[in-house]
Amino acid sequence: DGGITQSPKYLFRKEGQNVTLSCEQNLNHDAMYWYRQDPGQGLRLIYYSQIVNDFQKGDIAEGYSVSREKKESFPLTVTSAQKNPTAFYLCAGRGRGENTEAFFGQGTRLTVV
Amino acid sequence: GDSVTQMEGPVTLSEEAFLTINCTYTATGYPSLFWYVQYPGEGLQLLLKATKADDKGSNKGFEATYRKETTSFHLEKGSVQVSDSAVYFCALSGGAGGTSYGKLTFGQGTILTVHP
Repeated sequence: DGGITQSPKYLFRKEGQNVTLSCEQNLNHDAMYWYRQDPGQGLRLIYYSQIVNDFQKGDIAEGYSVSREKKESFPLTVTSAQKNPTAFYLCAGRGRGENTEAFFGQGTRLTVV
Repeated sequence: GDSVTQMEGPVTLSEEAFLTINCTYTATGYPSLFWYVQYPGEGLQLLLKATKADDKGSNKGFEATYRKETTSFHLEKGSVQVSDSAVYFCALSGGAGGTSYGKLTFGQGTILTVHP
């Protein structure tokens, strides 16, 4: 099936540990995005990438890191520097152009225990 | 920078009622505007979009008109159904030109609950 695939669906992390969330796409999208969703705060942009080997910080990049070594993959690492990492994380992909639709994965729910 | 503001929720309606969810934006240039919908436990999916002033996007009975003079993109539906219960997000892209090329900014979301 085509689309945006996020894994795992649920993830538990101990305090002080780094954890990596996977996002893969087979839609040949140039752009990929990571958002964090918290109740009452909507979607906040963490990082985005328009092209392989390049990415930009979003509005809440502190405590997160990304890489874009392949067009199909855009993993997000939640580092120990992120003070409140428990949230729902959404990955999206989009074709070129400001008027194009974004396609979202099913999300990863991260819980710090 | 770019920003999107949606009306406070949650919104609770009876089936067949009229729906309006307000959305206003701040952006330089000429952004594209979107409405996305999120059903419980899922990612977002596009509901409709408009790419220039006075354009009307429509889908599944929902409509929204791009009003540049009031910087608004309000979502409307004439008769809601129980199956419309979801979270609705307004979003914009391309508002700040080259410095924010490709950035997709969302509002805080509005929870809609429709009762039979």
